[in-house]
Amino acid sequence: EIVLTQSPGTLSLSPGERATLSCRASQSVSSSNLAWYQSKPGQAPRLIIYGASSRATGIPDRFSGSGSGTDFTLTIGRLEPEDFAVYYCQQYATSPTFGGGTKVEIK
Amino acid sequence: QVQLVESGGAVVQPGRSLRLSCAASGFIFTTYAIHWVRQAPGKGLEWVALISYDGGNKYFADSVRGRFTFSRDNSKNTVYLQMNGLRAEDTAVYYCARSRGYLGPFDFWGQGTLVTVSS
Repeated sequence: EIVLTQSPGTLSLSPGERATLSCRASQSVSSSNLAWYQSKPGQAPRLIIYGASSRATGIPDRFSGSGSGTDFTLTIGRLEPEDFAVYYCQQYATSPTFGGGTKVEIK
Repeated sequence: QVQLVESGGAVVQPGRSLRLSCAASGFIFTTYAIHWVRQAPGKGLEWVALISYDGGNKYFADSVRGRFTFSRDNSKNTVYLQMNGLRAEDTAVYYCARSRGYLGPFDFWGQGTLVTVSS
């Protein structure tokens, strides 16, 4: 099983600031089969990034993903009020696994 | 529009069984694999199970293998998660989600249904 470790656990930022979230895999994730999801209380999780760097349909371009192998990053260029949420990385190269999540909270 | 609607969540006693359903609409159901993902209270996301587009292949997380079964009825655009031998640690919101192929990003999720296992 590929274990994903996300850091930091919580990110306290103000609207307009840049957010950088990290996801590290216990082994290489083949073909960059890595996704990022946004989760808000009482709502369905939403796909943000797939293939490590491709934005899902309808996702604004302030969201970007990068990385390969074992190290991946989600960057939110300028935080909007609706971006404050928990973000999970997921690998789908093998039996899917999720990271523990990073909470982006308002400072 | 694309919809996945889960149902069947309830409060059940340990050791009992429960069946969840996920009804799909707004897309060609037979071209997608369907997954169940759960989120325990205050915890992160945990992948639970996968069923292929035709129901011919099923995969389960170690935590539920042997207790949960998964089926789909493509004539009704519905999948079913049969949960047997429920434990307190199965308490969670259960989401269904779709992906192209067995291994792909989960590009749409339902709103979830709550399962509580308690005596």
